Amino acid sequence: AQSVTQPDIHITVSEGASLELRCNYSYGATPYLFWYVQSPGQGLQLLLKYFSGDTLVQGIKGFEAEFKRSQSSFNLRKPSVHWSDAAEYFCAVGPNQGGKLIFGQGTELSVKP
Amino acid sequence: DTGVSQNPRHKITKRGQNVTFRCDPISEHNRLYWYRQTLGQGPEFLTYFQNEAQLEKSRLLSDRFSAERPKGSFSTLEIQRTEQGDSAMYLCASSPLESEAFFGQGTRLTVV
Repeated sequence: AQSVTQPDIHITVSEGASLELRCNYSYGATPYLFWYVQSPGQGLQLLLKYFSGDTLVQGIKGFEAEFKRSQSSFNLRKPSVHWSDAAEYFCAVGPNQGGKLIFGQGTELSVKP
Repeated sequence: DTGVSQNPRHKITKRGQNVTFRCDPISEHNRLYWYRQTLGQGPEFLTYFQNEAQLEKSRLLSDRFSAERPKGSFSTLEIQRTEQGDSAMYLCASSPLESEAFFGQGTRLTVV
């Protein structure tokens, strides 16, 4: 079955601390992987995507993610979190770059001052 | 270009009533997608269009749900005989062919 698992429902980090959000996927074909962010009452904004090439991809707002095929993982990282990063983060997988995606259940990030 | 626009932003309806939502995609985006997101969950794919053709429908899309995209521009999603379980955020997204999707802000439906 095709699925995306985000093991952490809620994470709290201190402002300035580093962040890693976990994502594991199960997908039969070559996966196209995405991370989206959603602020309260808002739609989803694409942070970054991976489909080939360098397994470490850079995104917007200082985020990066690393694709590890052997672990079926695509974890999101940021070296130093800002209070404005507090939001819900979704990992997703699809058959191509388009919008037919399978999403994880999300990780809510809280940032302590 | 102001992005993907969804109307209304909020809708409260009584159980059994019909509701219709509208999505205006980014101009010249060939593909348009509908998702449903319930509280505490990620978005779930419902259906998508390429131009005016509806190419795929999820099993989540019961026969009470219907989507259209006349002339390949805006799209509507209608829910007939609403049930409390239909309460959710309905998200629309659009993309060029084989490129990443841009999401609207969604329509929050509450069925009372």
